[in-house]
Amino acid sequence: DTEVTQTPKHLVMGMTNKKSLKCEQHMGHRAMYWYKQKAKKPPELMFVYSYEKLSINESVPSRFSPECPNSSLLNLHLHALQPEDSALYLCASSQGAGSYGYTFGSGTRLTVV
Amino acid sequence: AQSVTQLGSHVSVSEGALVLLRCNYSSSVPPYLFWYVQYPNQGLQLLLKYTSAATLVKGINGFEAEFKKSETSFHLTKPSAHMSDAAEYFCAVMENQGGKLIFGQGTELSVKP
Repeated sequence: DTEVTQTPKHLVMGMTNKKSLKCEQHMGHRAMYWYKQKAKKPPELMFVYSYEKLSINESVPSRFSPECPNSSLLNLHLHALQPEDSALYLCASSQGAGSYGYTFGSGTRLTVV
Repeated sequence: AQSVTQLGSHVSVSEGALVLLRCNYSSSVPPYLFWYVQYPNQGLQLLLKYTSAATLVKGINGFEAEFKKSETSFHLTKPSAHMSDAAEYFCAVMENQGGKLIFGQGTELSVKP
């Protein structure tokens, strides 16, 4: 298995809703990442998990809450989002720092209404 | 801090013509460099990567890139464009510390029949 699987592919939520994005990989990668991508822009790093521990939080608002229950699974819990949070949310994984690069999922298209 | 600059936010070529997408990096140490492609409403797919093993790197779909230290460049080329190459292309550098992948602004490639 050489894929990163993200669910759901599309999500529409109200500003008072609570929802979660899910990301799964079975490549044995020990680093996992959440990125946010707005239209016509590069992905922006949100969080990094290394060996199931949060290692980087790029000053993301607390309405985004990441969770790494095990080495294969990464969640992003969403609460009280704003319309400007509408974007493509990408999950990625890697074997570690250096030359490995990242493997990306196909993303969740989030719309906040 | 390491960074990459992509010259030209939009490049248009005719089918069968040479594709040249430009990327320059800023790094005080030999970097790890990557090219990713993103098709509409999809995640990012790794095209190729430079890890100091060879300056000319061959990737998928007929793309290649040459690392030129004297020019701090890592331009992406393909001898003959195909309609299916139309997509957004991102150059990226891996930070030596922390393993963060830093993206350029992206270049949208259009292919005319």
